[in-house]
Amino acid sequence: GAVVSQHPSWVICKSGTSVKIECRSLDFQATTMFWYRQFPKQSLMLMATSNEGSKATYEQGVEKDKFLINHASLTLSTLTVTSAHPEDSSFYICSARSGLAGGQKKETQYFGPGTRLLVL
Amino acid sequence: TQLLEQSPQFLSIQEGENLTVYCNSSSVFSSLQWYRQEPGEGPVLLVTVVTGGEVKKLKRLTFQFGDARKDSSLHITAAQPGDTGLYLCAGGRGFKTIFGAGTRLFVKA
Repeated sequence: GAVVSQHPSWVICKSGTSVKIECRSLDFQATTMFWYRQFPKQSLMLMATSNEGSKATYEQGVEKDKFLINHASLTLSTLTVTSAHPEDSSFYICSARSGLAGGQKKETQYFGPGTRLLVL
Repeated sequence: TQLLEQSPQFLSIQEGENLTVYCNSSSVFSSLQWYRQEPGEGPVLLVTVVTGGEVKKLKRLTFQFGDARKDSSLHITAAQPGDTGLYLCAGGRGFKTIFGAGTRLFVKA
């Protein structure tokens, strides 16, 4: 149980294009999903927290118009990197947290496998 | 300023050696999690500790939560090359999870 998937696993795009990354909780309902960014050999940097049906809460320094987050259902959240530039190249990881149903511990986050984005 | 301080930041050891990784904070956490992340992959949950003084074992890995719920340790016995990875501790803080900077472990065969 507690499986989180991400799609795509890697993407290469041209500068100026937009890229959408999907995060799905496969066997539980995720009331909250998180989006992280990770630079090489560094820890995770929280970008935003999204709750199903409401607007995402962005961390300081993260542009909400640049990184659009939609959490339309309890099993799906999407991150769209708009007008991507080379400096947006990074490893993007989502995680999902559920309630107590299904055996998952409430405060535990389950991570997706990550999406590697390369902007040329 | 990191709310969760992990030490050491980097550790390179020989196969068969024992090691301990520490996760310390001045704040109390309702729970702490330990994750392991391999290059190019997302973090994988190893354990969650919730009770002060709790000790959990996962094969050669022993996790301990401090009595005051401000710190935790991960001890690996007889490390193997397959243990190589980034070890992250994380603590629940309201709706957020706070991550430590991680300990990068390299086990040489």
